[in-house]
Amino acid sequence: SAVISQKPSRDICQRGTSLTIQCQVDSQVTMMFWYRQQPGQSLTLIATANQGSEATYESGFVIDKFPISRPNLTFSTLTVSNMSPEDSSIYLCSVALQGLTEAFFGQGTRLTVV
Amino acid sequence: DQQVKQNSPSLSVQEGRISILNCDYTNSMFDYFLWYKKYPAEGPTFLISISSIKDKNEDGRFTVFLNKSAKHLSLHIVPSQPGDSAVYFCAAKKAGGFKTIFGAGTRLFVKA
Repeated sequence: SAVISQKPSRDICQRGTSLTIQCQVDSQVTMMFWYRQQPGQSLTLIATANQGSEATYESGFVIDKFPISRPNLTFSTLTVSNMSPEDSSIYLCSVALQGLTEAFFGQGTRLTVV
Repeated sequence: DQQVKQNSPSLSVQEGRISILNCDYTNSMFDYFLWYKKYPAEGPTFLISISSIKDKNEDGRFTVFLNKSAKHLSLHIVPSQPGDSAVYFCAAKKAGGFKTIFGAGTRLFVKA
């Protein structure tokens, strides 16, 4: 398994500002992911954070809005840029381990944009 | 395109009774189906999974049934306990891939 620490756990931000969310894993992992859960919606994959190269974004998500860093195999950050109230969501970091079907998640960051 | 659907946003069950959570999917190429449980202020945690070549998988009080012809799966919790009160996410993925597709979740209330 993997233990994932994510911070901040919650924040209230002004529109037009940016927030960076950090994700720390207790072991080296190849596959790290960032998800968003909007109110009443499913968990939607934003991007795969690749170590040593640019993140791979899903349809509907762009690097300018959600820049991602992955400096090593245990750490990643997601920035939500130029925030609007529509960005109010729970953002989740996740990892997948070789040989296991299931994914592991951080506790999430509840973001409210006012 | 919502490939994994959980049409019931909430379910209320009496303690000791059976809880049945349902999930439908549209992509016949999925190889694994998973259920995750999420408590408030915590991330989802894996509960149980089933391979597409099986129709049932049981783990203690939790059983998942898969009906491939109907593209439907269900999670049965017997007996239900108050500590089972949480949001349950149905998810699906393809073999060899890491991308997981999630449903919107069903909030289960187990009343004492």
